[in-house]
Amino acid sequence: AQKVTQAQTEISVVEKEDVTLDCVYETRDTTYYLFWYKQPPSGELVFLIRRNSFDEQNEISGRYSWNFQKSTSSFNFTITASQVVDSAVYFCALRKNTGFQKLVFGTGTRLLVSP
Amino acid sequence: GAGVSQTPSNKVTEKGKYVELRCDPISGHTALYWYRQSLGQGPEFLIYFQGTGAADDSGLPNDRFFAVRPEGSVSTLKIQRTERGDSAVYLCASSPGLAGVETQYFGPGTRLLVL
Repeated sequence: AQKVTQAQTEISVVEKEDVTLDCVYETRDTTYYLFWYKQPPSGELVFLIRRNSFDEQNEISGRYSWNFQKSTSSFNFTITASQVVDSAVYFCALRKNTGFQKLVFGTGTRLLVSP
Repeated sequence: GAGVSQTPSNKVTEKGKYVELRCDPISGHTALYWYRQSLGQGPEFLIYFQGTGAADDSGLPNDRFFAVRPEGSVSTLKIQRTERGDSAVYLCASSPGLAGVETQYFGPGTRLLVL
């Protein structure tokens, strides 16, 4: 069975602080995909990144960076110099690497960035 | 281009009533997914369509839930004899449906409240 754990329920930071959101996953598959989505107050899930289990290179996109460590089954997400607009619920998700498959989501981490 | 749209955005009904929730995927996307998100939780998979057929309905909680996609585009999620426990946000997602692992793009959801 697949499972995603986001142990941090809520994180509060002050603008310009760096913040890391943790994601730990469980799967018996040797190949799989990991995702991060952002859910702002409007409710729509916004795709941020997709990572193949073959590729353990870290990725940076502007203020966002992702650290994938297969050895610890973690796929953590860091926001550098956080902004108020980053306030949202962030979800980590996992899916199999075959065909069209459902996403298995964690319970999400609510990030509150105050000015 | 237009994203995934869902109607209505909010639906209030009484216990025991029948409801229909509509999803209009991104134009040209043949894969369509329904998820349910309870308060404070991550989305949970309900059903997946490839074209007109339900390829995986393993997430439907019971036989009160049914979904159709008669022409391979718009999909309707139908809930009979609604119960208070059905209250949640129902999310729809679509992907191109071409091949391999695809990113799912989500709509804004329908917030269902059963009184």
